[in-house]
Amino acid sequence: DTGVSQDPRHKITKRGQNVTFRCDPISEHNRLYWYRQTLGQGPEFLTYFQNEAQLEKSRLLSDRFSAERPKGSFSTLEIQRTEQGDSAMYLCASSSRGGEELFFGEGSRLTVL
Amino acid sequence: GESVGLHLPTLSVQEGDNSIINCAYSNSASDYFIWYKQESGKGPQFIIDIRSNMDKRQGQRVTVLLNKTVKHLSLQIAATQPGDSAVYFCAEIPSGYSTLTFGKGTMLLVSP
Repeated sequence: DTGVSQDPRHKITKRGQNVTFRCDPISEHNRLYWYRQTLGQGPEFLTYFQNEAQLEKSRLLSDRFSAERPKGSFSTLEIQRTEQGDSAMYLCASSSRGGEELFFGEGSRLTVL
Repeated sequence: GESVGLHLPTLSVQEGDNSIINCAYSNSASDYFIWYKQESGKGPQFIIDIRSNMDKRQGQRVTVLLNKTVKHLSLQIAATQPGDSAVYFCAEIPSGYSTLTFGKGTMLLVSP
């Protein structure tokens, strides 16, 4: 399978704990995006990378959230001191150079108790 | 499984009918639009796109119509099948930006 893969698919954690999600984009894609989706809503943009550079961050991305893409390949999204309001599906997508079509992964569902 | 369809507008059709899903976008500067399909528990899947210099584009069983005057986008699905049941989102990229902004979804339910 050469699509976008995300890990873990599901994470249940207690409030206050840190969690980390990983995304492996399609190998030839240089752009990588993180979105968040809550029930009944469309995905909301969080941040995006071109190669290893983080080019844009949404105001939704509080200082408890940090994303990295150290070698321009896989990316991690870490949430520190999780809150119940962080419960959502975290979606990763990638696109090729100059491409606008985003290819999404299956998402990582976070439940904060 | 968990549904992404709670509180969403819903369109119910019979198998074989044609479906029309509508979307109003807000940014008149947007120059690229995409329709995505999202099945329960999965990530969004690309269906079809259209640029602002076009008013119609056709794919396999799907047609997207763009009316820039009233900032309206529609997705037409011909001969709807039960496998088309999902939540459909329109998304736009404003000119000069690189990120997609998604609209509110519409749940399509297809009865056999």
